[in-house]
Amino acid sequence: SQTIHQWPATLVQPVGSPLSLECTVEGTSNPNLYWYRQAAGRGLQLLFYSVGIGQISSEVPQNLSASRPQDRQFILSSKKLLLSDSGFYLCAWSVGVGGELFFGEGSRLTVL
Amino acid sequence: SQQGEEDPQALSIQEGENATMNCSYKTSINNLQWYRQNSGRGLVHLILIRSNEREKHSGRLRVTLDTSKKSSSLLITASRAADTASYFCATVGYPGNTGKLIFGQGTTLQVKP
Repeated sequence: SQTIHQWPATLVQPVGSPLSLECTVEGTSNPNLYWYRQAAGRGLQLLFYSVGIGQISSEVPQNLSASRPQDRQFILSSKKLLLSDSGFYLCAWSVGVGGELFFGEGSRLTVL
Repeated sequence: SQQGEEDPQALSIQEGENATMNCSYKTSINNLQWYRQNSGRGLVHLILIRSNEREKHSGRLRVTLDTSKKSSSLLITASRAADTASYFCATVGYPGNTGKLIFGQGTTLQVKP
């Protein structure tokens, strides 16, 4: 069966520090991978998606970047965090496009 | 950009009652999906309805889709305290969209025991 792992679960970082959130998927090949951000009490904002290794599409200009070094690994990074980067980050995968998304448990980032 | 907009933003009902949430969207869609999110957790897929379908059932869930009005509704019958969660609709645009899901703001449902 397929599983998705996302870590760390919580993170408290000072402004200006770097960030790395990691997501891995098991039990499937060539998944579509997504990073979403959710502000408190709000809906999900799509940040990045990837249809293959090294293929990253950015949805909104921001202080973040994403990479896909392996087929089932998706990394969200920042060189210097801003206060506005605080939020709940969710990784998800799907088979192909337009289908059901399978979400990780999320990473809560607080930038102080 | 947000495609789906849920209504109401918050809903509080007694256990055993039915809960109805609505979703409106702006552009043509390939399909519409509903997800559930327990507080502080990831989202869980509930049901997918395609643009050529008008109604779909899954257990206590009933979803309708009206493409002429660009709207969908999610009905949870005989609600339970465990149904307390946030519910989101998400749309896959068509054409001109790569198939990525765009989520609405969600409806927060509280079911009182």
